[in-house]
Amino acid sequence: SQQGEEDPQALSIQEGENATMNCSYKTSINNLQWYRQNSGRGLVHLILIRSNEREKHSGRLRVTLDTSKKSSSLLITASRAADTASYFCATWGYSTLTFGKGTMLLVSP
Amino acid sequence: DVKVTQSSRYLVKRTGEKVFLECVQDMDHENMFWYRQDPGLGLRLIYFSYDVKMKEKGDIPEGYSVSREKKERFSLILESASTNQTSMYLCASSLGLASGGYNEQFFGPGTRLTVL
Repeated sequence: SQQGEEDPQALSIQEGENATMNCSYKTSINNLQWYRQNSGRGLVHLILIRSNEREKHSGRLRVTLDTSKKSSSLLITASRAADTASYFCATWGYSTLTFGKGTMLLVSP
Repeated sequence: DVKVTQSSRYLVKRTGEKVFLECVQDMDHENMFWYRQDPGLGLRLIYFSYDVKMKEKGDIPEGYSVSREKKERFSLILESASTNQTSMYLCASSLGLASGGYNEQFFGPGTRLTVL
């Protein structure tokens, strides 16, 4: 059962620009997490935001959470070519973490 | 440094073969998971385990089974491989409920399985 849905499906920007990805979900959550996946590799955890938090920062990453709208956004500032990857949001349901289908980000030099 | 390893990066098998995918974690995590990832479908949970010898079905368990005899090792078994099981298989682990639950998952590099 797919809980999170990312938007857009694909995003292409230039190095130095900011990238914003959005995630919407359907049911109440304990926390929402963002993961990155480089091509053909496993996922890497980026950041976790709890349901009672509204904003969280980690380096060039900024995550917001709006539980009233059941949505989250991931902002990557001053993007680099190395940020090229797929980004997934994930939410905890009853006993498991459910992933969206991801946003593919391409950062061109 | 935390680590989840999977036995193979690439695997090619024939229809009807029994296939074993192994996953080992060195973080003493209680929970372990198997996902498959297909284009346009994202990650789908096959099975998970929250303790040794315990297993729970995920969203798509049909055609698969699992084994967890030791805490650090979680195996995915394709009893009789079929072409529609060609996919990327990802293993993950996380701390369990005793550690507060709802934790981040650590992923292995994935096994790309092709069934001919």
